[in-house]
Amino acid sequence: GENVEQHPSTLSVQEGDSAVIKCTYSDSASNYFPWYKQELGKRPQLIIDIRSNVGEKKDQRIAVTLNKTAKHFSLHITETQPEDSAVYFCAASMGDYKLSFGAGTTVTVRA
Amino acid sequence: GAGVSQSPSNKVTEKGKDVELRCDPISGHTALYWYRQSLGQGLEFLIYFQGNSAPDKSGLPSDRFSAERTGGSVSTLTIQRTQQEDSAVYLCASSLSLAGREQYFGPGTRLTVT
Repeated sequence: GENVEQHPSTLSVQEGDSAVIKCTYSDSASNYFPWYKQELGKRPQLIIDIRSNVGEKKDQRIAVTLNKTAKHFSLHITETQPEDSAVYFCAASMGDYKLSFGAGTTVTVRA
Repeated sequence: GAGVSQSPSNKVTEKGKDVELRCDPISGHTALYWYRQSLGQGLEFLIYFQGNSAPDKSGLPSDRFSAERTGGSVSTLTIQRTQQEDSAVYLCASSLSLAGREQYFGPGTRLTVT
């Protein structure tokens, strides 16, 4: 099955700086890559996703890049704010439905 | 509109007992998923329902786990003879269709097996 690895496991950034989280996947057939944000005690919520026919997608301060050849994708958060502090999960799915998640990155934005 | 709901929000049970967890998906969502999130870990896929198709049970960790979805809507996840390692947050998600793909998560049920 699909195996998704996520790095780093924790990330501390100064407010206003950028944060980057990287994920790799194992199955070249995977074609859908969502990112979820989970605040403490709350449910995961989709923040951005990318499909394999696109190399980059941006939505305000967040962007995701995908390198199919290398089988990795990354989340970029610019101008970080305290409310960006959360656990972020990457995931991958193979043309259907079942998401394989990374282990998560705990992001802390220092004021 | 209403999101995905789950009940109970918390469940404490003794080792060896059976538990049932309930999920109400968003109305009209044909796909329903169960995941498990252990403390400090990512989400682990358990089972998937899509319409009237046979469910994908490939993620269920043992035969103590089962799930059903009645009338294409509400789903229950049953864990028989619970073990301490079953302690986790059980999350349900639903989506419109395979094409839609975005999965909307419920608040989860925190299960503690003592």
